[in-house]
Amino acid sequence: ETGVTQSPTHLIKTRGQQVTLRCSSQSGHNTVSWYQQALGQGPQFIFQYYREEENGRGNFPPRFSGLQFPNYSSELNVNALELDDSALYLCASSSFSTATYNEQFFGPGTRLTVL
Amino acid sequence: DQQVKQNSPSLSVQEGRISILNCDYTNSMFDYFLWYKKYPAEGPTFLISISSIKDKNEDGRFTVFLNKSAKHLSLHIVPSQPGDSAVYFCAASINQGGKLIFGQGTELSVKP
Repeated sequence: ETGVTQSPTHLIKTRGQQVTLRCSSQSGHNTVSWYQQALGQGPQFIFQYYREEENGRGNFPPRFSGLQFPNYSSELNVNALELDDSALYLCASSSFSTATYNEQFFGPGTRLTVL
Repeated sequence: DQQVKQNSPSLSVQEGRISILNCDYTNSMFDYFLWYKKYPAEGPTFLISISSIKDKNEDGRFTVFLNKSAKHLSLHIVPSQPGDSAVYFCAASINQGGKLIFGQGTELSVKP
């Protein structure tokens, strides 16, 4: 069984640029969530995708957007990068149809640095 | 507005002893609680969960206790092992809706 994978591992961008982060869900999972973890903080929910539709969103501006593909992989796009966007971005997958829906399985994350 | 709080940034315990990690929440609508463990350079790993209809859930060395009246949950690790050294996050959700609200984390250090 393949776990959740994310790419790239690390990324350095400058303010104002755009970035795309990628995530492959764990085999059998149909739901993907994205979280932002700033240094010294817990992960903060950005949004969730189920069946290629956004299924809930946290308190993040519209310049954070996402996609989920038919194979359940996902992308997080951030436009007009700001210095405060520097963080670890975590992707988590889960299976909507089972009793263990809330038990999300996380990837290793992408460390984004905005200069 | 921090709905889930872990007030102890760090905890140090001797190997073989009990580790108790605490978490408080403010939103009475939360109905599902989880604990995750995180090693450096890895994503959080699910440890144990509890539904709001229970007050205790056990899995091997890990036990989670939920006190709804106090809006407090705790994770007990017995006996603690050096490999348990990591950052522990508690998280909560409403209606098993998928959105997890995390605490700030507690760094546990288990000394041999």
